[in-house]
Amino acid sequence: AQSVTQLDSQVPVFEEAPVELRCNYSSSVSVYLFWYVQYPNQGLQLLLKYLSGSTLVKGINGFEAEFNKSQTSFHLRKPSVHISDTAEYFCAVRSSSRDMRFGAGTRLTVKP
Amino acid sequence: DAGVIQSPRHEVTEMGQEVTLRCKPISGHDYLFWYRQTMMRGLELLIYFNNNVPIDDSGMPEDRFSAKMPNASFSTLKIQPSEPRDSAVYFCASSLARGQFNSPLHFGNGTRLTVT
Repeated sequence: AQSVTQLDSQVPVFEEAPVELRCNYSSSVSVYLFWYVQYPNQGLQLLLKYLSGSTLVKGINGFEAEFNKSQTSFHLRKPSVHISDTAEYFCAVRSSSRDMRFGAGTRLTVKP
Repeated sequence: DAGVIQSPRHEVTEMGQEVTLRCKPISGHDYLFWYRQTMMRGLELLIYFNNNVPIDDSGMPEDRFSAKMPNASFSTLKIQPSEPRDSAVYFCASSLARGQFNSPLHFGNGTRLTVT
């Protein structure tokens, strides 16, 4: 079975500072990894995905994530955050079991 | 593309009443998922369909919950009878997989259900 652990439930950060949201996964088979963002009263939107190839993937809004197979991690990073990045971020894993499992979410709060 | 469309956006009902949530997936997508989101339990997968056929309903909490997908463009999630602990935001999502499992899910804006 696959599972996802997001290590931080809340991450406060000041505007223009860098941020890293941590995600670890477990799966007995090859996986595909995703990060989603959820703004208040909205559904989840895809930020980026890792399918294969380069372990560093770039997404929308200046976010990027690095897949580390040996550490079973897929941490999300942004070098300089904006107030508008304040949202809930979800890491997710999908494998040959076909469904998609989500982590508990990390609430990123960007302060001025 | 209009995206995944869910209705209603908000539903307030009394305990014991029947509730029906509706979802229209993105045209051409062959997978449809129902999730429930609460503060305590986060995002829980309830059930998913492939080509209108339910594949895994192990996440459906009780027999009070049922889901159908009568055709490729419509799905319902029904709760009968509803209880206060069913209060949550219910999301529908779809994806185009064509047998591959690396496709992202596209989410609707959710239905916020409140059972009093």
